[in-house]
Amino acid sequence: GAVVSQHPSWVICKSGTSVKIECRSLDFQATTMFWYRQFPKQSLMLMATSNEGSKATYEQGVEKDKFLINHASLTLSTLTVTSAHPEDSSFYICSAPAPAYEQYFGPGTRLTVT
Amino acid sequence: QKEVEQNSGPLSVPEGAIASLNCTYSDRGSQSFFWYRQYSGKSPELIMFIYSNGDKEDGRFTAQLNKASQYVSLLIRDSQPSDSATYLCAVRPPASYDKVIFGPGTSLSVIP
Repeated sequence: GAVVSQHPSWVICKSGTSVKIECRSLDFQATTMFWYRQFPKQSLMLMATSNEGSKATYEQGVEKDKFLINHASLTLSTLTVTSAHPEDSSFYICSAPAPAYEQYFGPGTRLTVT
Repeated sequence: QKEVEQNSGPLSVPEGAIASLNCTYSDRGSQSFFWYRQYSGKSPELIMFIYSNGDKEDGRFTAQLNKASQYVSLLIRDSQPSDSATYLCAVRPPASYDKVIFGPGTSLSVIP
């Protein structure tokens, strides 16, 4: 079946630095990808919809200047957390639409900001 | 009112029992409904989806949808310890091509 990968699987960074997370569709093309954030014991919150070749669509309350999304090819979307702070520590998950309105989820990236 | 709500957990059932998970949604025009299972530290995996009113069965899992009541449920028969996880209800809003809204999740613990 279709596979979505994420890299890195976990990352620790210092406060004030930027972190880039990659999301790749391995055996299919994805014109759209979704980025979610999940805090401990909470549900997935959609942050933005990444569109190949155009600007991302951000959900209400998500700072587009802080969470930079680039979808430069049909198989790669990146999320850059700029000037990360401890409150940005979370589990970041990407997904790509699948047939029958399902989603193929990546394995997630655990970000810890110290 | 939250868009998607689920019964608060954690829910504990003995091994072999039926686990019942409930979900309500606020947008009456929603058409597609999904149940995902998520183990701690992992991303969600799809268990079932349902579009039509009534029941849909797949192995030990049965999804039930009642659009008039804006209610969708998941029954797990013969619960196993490996079913212990968080179950997420997800709803595709009307006029949304592929975006879904997730509920807060219900934590299920199956006691051996």
